[in-house]
Amino acid sequence: QKEVEQNSGPLSVPEGAIASLNCTYSDRGSQSFFWYRQYSGKSPELIMSIYSNGDKEDGRFTAQLNKASQYVSLLIRDSQPSDSATYLCAVTDGDSNYQLIWGAGTKLIIKP
Amino acid sequence: EPEVTQTPSHQVTQMGQEVILRCVPISNHLYFYWYRQILGQKVEFLVSFYNNEISEKSEIFDDQFSVERPDGSNFTLKIRSTKLEDSAMYFCASRGGGAGETQYFGPGTRLLVL
Repeated sequence: QKEVEQNSGPLSVPEGAIASLNCTYSDRGSQSFFWYRQYSGKSPELIMSIYSNGDKEDGRFTAQLNKASQYVSLLIRDSQPSDSATYLCAVTDGDSNYQLIWGAGTKLIIKP
Repeated sequence: EPEVTQTPSHQVTQMGQEVILRCVPISNHLYFYWYRQILGQKVEFLVSFYNNEISEKSEIFDDQFSVERPDGSNFTLKIRSTKLEDSAMYFCASRGGGAGETQYFGPGTRLLVL
């Protein structure tokens, strides 16, 4: 059974601080990695995608990938109350590369 | 910016009735997906569709469910004889043709079975 593990939270972070979200995955064949943000009652919205080891930065967001450790993380700098949401980690299935394996999500709360 | 659309946004139905959920994927996308999310739970994969046929389906996607692409734009999920436990948000997603490309989600249909 292929799994993506995330701490369910909630993770509480003060406004302006760095929020760090983590994800581990079991499928060594996974090639593509995604972070989605989901507000309550809404659909998942892509935040970041990352395909190779290292860091990828986009504005306040940085995704980090370590394939050897099967670990993906998302850093949110200068956290804002509007960042409060559930963050979903998804990785491609190594057998198909067209299917995603989803984590259950980490609930992030940014406290003003 | 192109987006995935879904109709209706909300659907209330009686147990045992059939429902059809509709999706219009992004126009040049080739892969289409249906997901389900029961309130407070994780996103669950139902089915993927490519080249006018199902490419993969999960254990949830049993004979009660079917998908169809009746024309060049719509992608539908039919649930026959709905059960109480089918109450959930149903999301449609689409992606382009390359491996590892991003899946883009529609806004979802909230289905309530009474």
